[in-house]
Amino acid sequence: EDKVVQSPLSLVVHEGDTVTLNCSYEVTNFRSLLWYKQEKKAPTFLFMLTSSGIEKKSGRLSSILDKKELFSILNITATQTGDSAVYLCAQSLSGANNLFFGTGTRLTVIP
Amino acid sequence: SAVISQKPSRDICQRGTSLTIQCQVDSQVTMMFWYRQQPGQSLTLIATANQGSEATYESGFVIDKFPISRPNLTFSTLTVSNMSPEDSSIYLCSVRPTDNYGYTFGSGTRLTVV
Repeated sequence: EDKVVQSPLSLVVHEGDTVTLNCSYEVTNFRSLLWYKQEKKAPTFLFMLTSSGIEKKSGRLSSILDKKELFSILNITATQTGDSAVYLCAQSLSGANNLFFGTGTRLTVIP
Repeated sequence: SAVISQKPSRDICQRGTSLTIQCQVDSQVTMMFWYRQQPGQSLTLIATANQGSEATYESGFVIDKFPISRPNLTFSTLTVSNMSPEDSSIYLCSVRPTDNYGYTFGSGTRLTVV
């Protein structure tokens, strides 16, 4: 059973739209929740979330964690074609040094 | 954050041959992680490479197929041995430079086995 579940699997929007990507995770040994953007091969780090209710923001991207309901969202406002990518959510666990990844959401932004 | 140089960037290999992927980090790190991403799938951890000891492999991955070297705190190699088309994937190395920053990834190696 997958530890990290992302939805939707894919999404097509028009430039200027706002999108919300979802990630649910398991509570056991939770340490942090991370978001990555993968355009070609290498995932690029976006956010690391450890505390519930504190929004992290970088330009048009923002993310928040809900530790009670065990999910996180990634918001992208005023989307641009350059936002087209696979967005990966990953969980870090206490007692484990690696990350556990979800299957990703493929976002396509059309002009 | 750490900067990782990974090579080769891509390769097309004949089945039955082996390919060695290298990762060089610009700072010393205790652990390096090797991931595989099969087409259309997410990242799966192959093994964790520690300097001075044998790598720790995840379920479904074995040392004979994916031997790893970690000669020092800034370098590691992953070899994909006796390749078959099912090994066609993106291979990524990763490190975690500090507790307050996310894991950093190398630029990835896209392997195609024909």
